[in-house]
Amino acid sequence: GIQVEQSPPDLILQEGANSTLRCNFSDSVNNLQWFHQNPWGQLINLFYIPSGTKQNGRLSATTVATERYSLLYISSSQTTDSGVYFCAVEYPDSSYKLIFGSGTRLLVRP
Amino acid sequence: EAQVTQNPRYLITVTGKKLTVTCSQNMNHEYMSWYRQDPGLGLRQIYYSMNVEVTDKGDVPEGYKVSRKEKRNFPLILESPSPNQTSLYFCASSLVGGVYEQYFGPGTRLTVT
Repeated sequence: GIQVEQSPPDLILQEGANSTLRCNFSDSVNNLQWFHQNPWGQLINLFYIPSGTKQNGRLSATTVATERYSLLYISSSQTTDSGVYFCAVEYPDSSYKLIFGSGTRLLVRP
Repeated sequence: EAQVTQNPRYLITVTGKKLTVTCSQNMNHEYMSWYRQDPGLGLRQIYYSMNVEVTDKGDVPEGYKVSRKEKRNFPLILESPSPNQTSLYFCASSLVGGVYEQYFGPGTRLTVT
């Protein structure tokens, strides 16, 4: 089955710092999404990005489908960025379920 | 506002007492799905539905039932909850199954004692 690996598993930043989170996947995928899970457990859609580059404010993402990886960039981090960042890919079977990586736990210190 | 809603958000119940977690979306999405999230196991799909009256099992369907009588609603039913169903549950929807962004509800934290 498809493997989704995220790195680093944990990251501590000082407020204002930049960071790059990585997601590697083992096979061709139809769908790749990045989510932020906040401290209350809610999954917040960040990007739907099966290929190419997108930007939304301080966040941007790039997926290179041919090389099977995606990157999430966080610039000028804020304490509200803390939480767990998940990459999820869609398995090409009939259930269209998303397969989640194990996440990167980010703590931004003031 | 386009959204997926779930109710209740938090529930503490006892073993064997039937319960229903509701899920509703206002985006006219055809595809809906339920996941559970457990520490160390990530998110796992319970059931999914490609359209009204079309449902199928995901990876962990045991102990759960679903129905899709209307396009917007996809309730998750636990006929006889057990402590191993204590988890964080998410409902998700997308326009059509496959190649479209999935939107997640806010989650329902269930504790079965």
